[in-house]
Amino acid sequence: KQEVTQIPAALSVPEGENLVLNCSFTDSAIYNLQWFRQDPGKGLTSLLLIQSSQREQTSGRLNASLDKSSGRSTLYIAASQPGDSATYLCAVSLRGGSEKLVFGKGTKLTVNP
Amino acid sequence: DAGITQSPRYKITETGRQVTLMCHQTWSHSYMFWYRQDLGHGLRLIYYSAAADITDKGEVPDGYVVSRSKTENFPLTLESATRSQTSVYFCASSSTRTTNEKLFFGSGTQLSVL
Repeated sequence: KQEVTQIPAALSVPEGENLVLNCSFTDSAIYNLQWFRQDPGKGLTSLLLIQSSQREQTSGRLNASLDKSSGRSTLYIAASQPGDSATYLCAVSLRGGSEKLVFGKGTKLTVNP
Repeated sequence: DAGITQSPRYKITETGRQVTLMCHQTWSHSYMFWYRQDLGHGLRLIYYSAAADITDKGEVPDGYVVSRSKTENFPLTLESATRSQTSVYFCASSSTRTTNEKLFFGSGTQLSVL
């Protein structure tokens, strides 16, 4: 059974710092991996999607990498801002179906001004 | 306003009562999903639907019923609520089955069963 782990569960950093969030998964036979952001009291917003054949995806200050063989993905946030404070979740897809998405429990990020 | 909306935003009920959570999307997405989010478990899929009148079970379907008579609506019913069903419920939609397309989430319904 695919398991997705995100460590640490919470992270607090000063504004301006570059940071890395980690995601690991037990079964490397994934179709793709997504990173989501969840603000308090809100739903999830998709940030980046990496296909299994890709190594990384970038959007603005966000860069997500994928190493299938080691079962790891990282989300790099450059020059963090207080507005980046949220919970970040990764999810892996097996065999391409959205009904097969397996979510991690998330890392709660706090960026202090 | 376009998007995916859930109602009610908050709901308190008692054990044994029937509760229906509503989900409405304006994109005409084929696929819709219901998740619950609990501390210590993360997001878990309850039910999903590929189209009107087509539904299937997810990871934790027991105690829940869904229907989809119209593409835009996907209500979730707790037939006889239990305390273990206290959770935050999220509805999501996608234009296709494949995760190559983004999944769009509603803002959630926080349900408390007393």
